[in-house]
Amino acid sequence: DVKVTQSSRYLVKRTGEKVFLECVQDMDHENMFWYRQDPGLGLRLIYFSYDVKMKEKGDIPEGYSVSREKKERFSLILESASTNQTSMYLCASSLMTSGRTNTQYFGPGTRLTVL
Amino acid sequence: AQTVTQSQPEMSVQEAETVTLSCTYDTSESNYYLFWYKQPPSRQMILVIRQEAYKQQNATENRFSVNFQKAAKSFSLKISDSQLGDTAMYFCAFMNGRGGHISNFGNEKLTFGTGTRLTIIP
Repeated sequence: DVKVTQSSRYLVKRTGEKVFLECVQDMDHENMFWYRQDPGLGLRLIYFSYDVKMKEKGDIPEGYSVSREKKERFSLILESASTNQTSMYLCASSLMTSGRTNTQYFGPGTRLTVL
Repeated sequence: AQTVTQSQPEMSVQEAETVTLSCTYDTSESNYYLFWYKQPPSRQMILVIRQEAYKQQNATENRFSVNFQKAAKSFSLKISDSQLGDTAMYFCAFMNGRGGHISNFGNEKLTFGTGTRLTIIP
């Protein structure tokens, strides 16, 4: 079974703090994604990566950055957390197989509260 | 840009009944994929079912089936013999079909609807 894990289920931070959210997958997937989930808005893509050290902006990248130093690990960074970044953050991964689009597998999510 | 619309924020149904969740989407592409994901309370999001747009036959997975109407851009999910474990948020999602290569990677993104919260009543 594909396993995607996230470093914390719940996190409370203060405004202005630097926040790191970690995601690890164990299936040698090339693609990794960070989403933000808010009630009434569904999931929105923040950043994605298709290879080590490669990253692409999603639909809402402002206030976030990412790091992918190893294939299995994709980190989301909030350089200076703000209250409007209080949300559920979901990580996902998928294979990149030529000619076929593959299912994304999700982690359990990190519920971040910024006070 | 593609959009996905789920017009039913909440639904409830008695256990063992059949329920249909609606989803419409907008795209100018002819090749794409559609997905239904399930997110149980406090649990991980999992794939329920997927449909390739080039396939005319509706996808089925046990008690879950879809009604894919390509011309109408509609992709509804039917849950038969509903069970208490079906209580969850359900998200419809769209993916462009030109993925699978680095040069097309932007097409690997999923666009999600806003979700339908389904409650199965004992």
